[in-house]
Amino acid sequence: DIQMTQSPSTLSASVGDRVTITCRASQSISTWLAWYQQKPGKAPKLLIFKASSLQSGVPSRFSGSGSGTEFTLTISSLQPDDFATYYCQQYNTYWTFGQGTKVDIK
Amino acid sequence: QVQLQQSGPGLLKPSQTLSLTCAISGDSISSNSAAWSWIRQSPSRGLEWLGRTYYKSKWYNDFPVSVKSRITINPDTSKNQFSLQLYSVTPEDTAVYYCAREYGLSTFDAFDIWGQGTMVTVSS
Repeated sequence: DIQMTQSPSTLSASVGDRVTITCRASQSISTWLAWYQQKPGKAPKLLIFKASSLQSGVPSRFSGSGSGTEFTLTISSLQPDDFATYYCQQYNTYWTFGQGTKVDIK
Repeated sequence: QVQLQQSGPGLLKPSQTLSLTCAISGDSISSNSAAWSWIRQSPSRGLEWLGRTYYKSKWYNDFPVSVKSRITINPDTSKNQFSLQLYSVTPEDTAVYYCAREYGLSTFDAFDIWGQGTMVTVSS
């Protein structure tokens, strides 16, 4: 199975900050990587697919990059609605998720 | 607008069968560009994909080894929905269960639409 490791587990930030979350795969997954946002009591929401493609309706302050085993999710200017938990997911071979990164208020 | 609506009981006893249904609106379960999955989330196991069903000239299922021996996922074309049955549950199966759509033409794709989630508790 392909393992996904996110860092950090928790990130404290302020509105307007630039935020970066890292995800590493245990083996190469090309660009078969997605990022999701989840708020308490809600289902995950797809933000980014194919490592860098923005899902329809997602604000352009979200961006993704990387290939192979190293990926990043960047929020260019953190907004109040962005405080949530973020997950990476590989879909090179079936699906596995990272353990999540909680973005909270500094 | 595609929506997934889940239904099913939330409390089970050990050894019982977990049964959930996901009704699809705005898309067809027989779509050649979609597949339909069940995913669960618990504090101990995180987000875990449980299996999928999809139609490509005939019906297919995929399951991870971890649950393959005790799970079925069935499409119901007459009601445009699909179901999950997980047999012989234990307290470790306590989780929030989600249905989700995988959309695209690749072998595997991201999940773009999710159901609202169902909290399932297994307790004696």
